[in-house]
Amino acid sequence: AQKVTQAQTEISVVEKEDVTLDCVYETRDTTYYLFWYKQPPSGELVFLIRRNSFDEQNEISGRYSWNFQKSTSSFNFTITASQVVDSAVYFCALESLPYRDRDDKIIFGKGTRLHILP
Amino acid sequence: DVKVTQSSRYLVKRTGEKVFLECVQDMDHENMFWYRQDPGLGLRLIYFSYDVKMKEKGDIPEGYSVSREKKERFSLILESASTNQTSMYLCASSLSSGQAYEQYFGPGTRLTVT
Repeated sequence: AQKVTQAQTEISVVEKEDVTLDCVYETRDTTYYLFWYKQPPSGELVFLIRRNSFDEQNEISGRYSWNFQKSTSSFNFTITASQVVDSAVYFCALESLPYRDRDDKIIFGKGTRLHILP
Repeated sequence: DVKVTQSSRYLVKRTGEKVFLECVQDMDHENMFWYRQDPGLGLRLIYFSYDVKMKEKGDIPEGYSVSREKKERFSLILESASTNQTSMYLCASSLSSGQAYEQYFGPGTRLTVT
């Protein structure tokens, strides 16, 4: 069965500190996709990034960066110079295709609640 | 901008009532999903649909059914609501065509069953 583990339930850092959110996944599939979503206090989940299993390039988008390592089955998310607006719950998710006739299609981690303290 | 709307933000129902949660997306997405979100449990997939009139069970389908008569609309039905179905319900949609694309989520419906 597929699994996504976000071991950090809650993290608090002071503004301007860097913070890394961990995501470890398990799958037997060779083709899969990994995602990060942000859920701010307003409640609506927002997509941040998508990676497929054949693309191990790290990605940087402004203050956000992602480190995908198949060797350790990890897809970690780092926020550099954190800001109060980064306070949210962050979810890592795993999808494998095809959807049909599968026991586990889309798996979300339990989320990491990030508090950025002013 | 992709828009996923849900019929209610807050809903209070009594045990045993039939409950309909409606979701509409305006981006012609093939896939639509229903999740429930509970503290400490993250998002759990209830049902999803990859085409009109098609549906697949997710991880926790018991006590729920779905309907997708039109591409843009995906309904979640609680045939006989129970208190353990008190939760936040999230609808999402995504493109299909051979890959897994990001999901766009609605604002959620907080359902309380008393």
